Amino acid sequence: QQPVQSPQAVILREGEDAVINCSSSKALYSVHWYRQKHGEAPVFLMILLKGGEQKGHEKISASFNEKKQQSSLYLTASQLSYSGTYFCGTGRRETSGSRLTFGEGTQLTVNP
Amino acid sequence: DGGITQSPKYLFRKEGQNVTLSCEQNLNHDAMYWYRQDPGQGLRLIYYSQIVNDFQKGDIAEGYSVSREKKESFPLTVTSAQKNPTAFYLCASSIGARGGMNTEAFFGQGTRLTVV
Repeated sequence: QQPVQSPQAVILREGEDAVINCSSSKALYSVHWYRQKHGEAPVFLMILLKGGEQKGHEKISASFNEKKQQSSLYLTASQLSYSGTYFCGTGRRETSGSRLTFGEGTQLTVNP
Repeated sequence: DGGITQSPKYLFRKEGQNVTLSCEQNLNHDAMYWYRQDPGQGLRLIYYSQIVNDFQKGDIAEGYSVSREKKESFPLTVTSAQKNPTAFYLCASSIGARGGMNTEAFFGQGTRLTVV
C-alpha cells in the first residue's frame, strides 16, 4: 500500500542538486511532498494533482507522471536548511473515502 | 490561531494498559488521520475519518481504536492488544473529503508513547 521512495538516503554538499523519486503500484489522485526535521511534525512542501495542477512553495519543484504513477521532487542549489527526511504521500479515492498514504522517507543531509 | 494539537507530547504507560492519545483541530477540517512512525519505516496509516461518526481502518489498525464524535476531535486509543506500542504518533487533518486528497494535510506535533 505504501508508495516506494528512492533513494533511501542522500548526502550533499551545500549548493548541489538532488532528486527524490516516489512510485506507487495503484492509481493516484494526488502526490504530496513533506519534509520532517528530527522529532518535529512534517511540513508541507508541495501537492501535485491529476491534470497538472500544482500547489506549493516557489523554490520547490516536482513532477507527476500520472500514467506511470510516479513523482519526483527536485531540490536545486541545496542549503543547509534542506536537511531532513522527505516523505511522499499518495492520495487515493476509495469507496470508504479518501486516504493519504506515505512512503518510508528519504533522509537528506546537506553538509557545508 | 488555527491548528492541530496533540497531547501529551510524551506519554509513559505500563504494559497491558490502554492509553488514549488526544488530537484536536480548530481548522474546520472534515478529514483526520492517525499515523505511526517508527525509525526507518516512515509514516504508517492507522485510522482515518472523513466525517463525524465514520472512520476507516488504515494499514496497521490492529490493536488500535478511534472515535469521531465531534468534527474537531479524533482520539486514538492504543489497546493492550497492540504488541509493540512504543512509537511516535502523528495526527493530521485536511479539508478533505469529497474532493479527495487535493489539499495539504496539517500535522500535529506528535505524541511519543513509551510502554514499559
